[in-house]
Amino acid sequence: AQSVSQHNHHVILSEAASLELGCNYSYGGTVNLFWYVQYPGQHLQLLLKYFSGDPLVKGIKGFEAEFIKSKFSFNLRKPSVQWSDTAEYFCAVMPNTGTASKLTFGTGTRLQVTL
Amino acid sequence: KAGVTQTPRYLIKTRGQQVTLSCSPISGHRSVSWYQQTPGQGLQFLFEYFSETQRNKGNFPGRFSGRQFSNSRSEMNVSTLELGDSALYLCASSVPGYRETQYFGPGTRLLVL
Repeated sequence: AQSVSQHNHHVILSEAASLELGCNYSYGGTVNLFWYVQYPGQHLQLLLKYFSGDPLVKGIKGFEAEFIKSKFSFNLRKPSVQWSDTAEYFCAVMPNTGTASKLTFGTGTRLQVTL
Repeated sequence: KAGVTQTPRYLIKTRGQQVTLSCSPISGHRSVSWYQQTPGQGLQFLFEYFSETQRNKGNFPGRFSGRQFSNSRSEMNVSTLELGDSALYLCASSVPGYRETQYFGPGTRLLVL
């Protein structure tokens, strides 16, 4: 079975600071990787996804993530955060079998951006 | 395209009762997955339906069940509610395949008293 670890549970940053949220996964086969964001009072939204190819993927709102296969990692980055990025961020994996249809989530990282 | 819709958005029930939640997927999406979100356990997979068949199942007791209709709409049912069932129940829809991406609805917040 797969598992996902997000090491940062709560991160506080000032506006314009750079962000990197860690995500490591455990699975014996090929996976698809995702970052979702949950803004206060809103539903879970897809930030970005990785299936194959270029390990550096870009998502919405200036976010990007890098897949490092040797480290089983898929860290999320943003060069300069804004107050509106305050939210909870979830890393998730899905086995690339074509029929898995099951996301395994990390415990989430709560990001608080101060003015 | 309209997003995933879930009804009702909020529910209050008492222990021992049963509840049915509904999910309408994005048009053209034939897979519907259900997740439970709690502060203690995070986001956990309940089950997934495709073409009216349950294809994947998480580690939840048999009190949690679901079904999918021919129009891909799905319902989940929880019988004999327990206090610990209080949670946000999320539905996600997708087109299954090697590049499957799940899109989530707003959820149904269930409070069991």
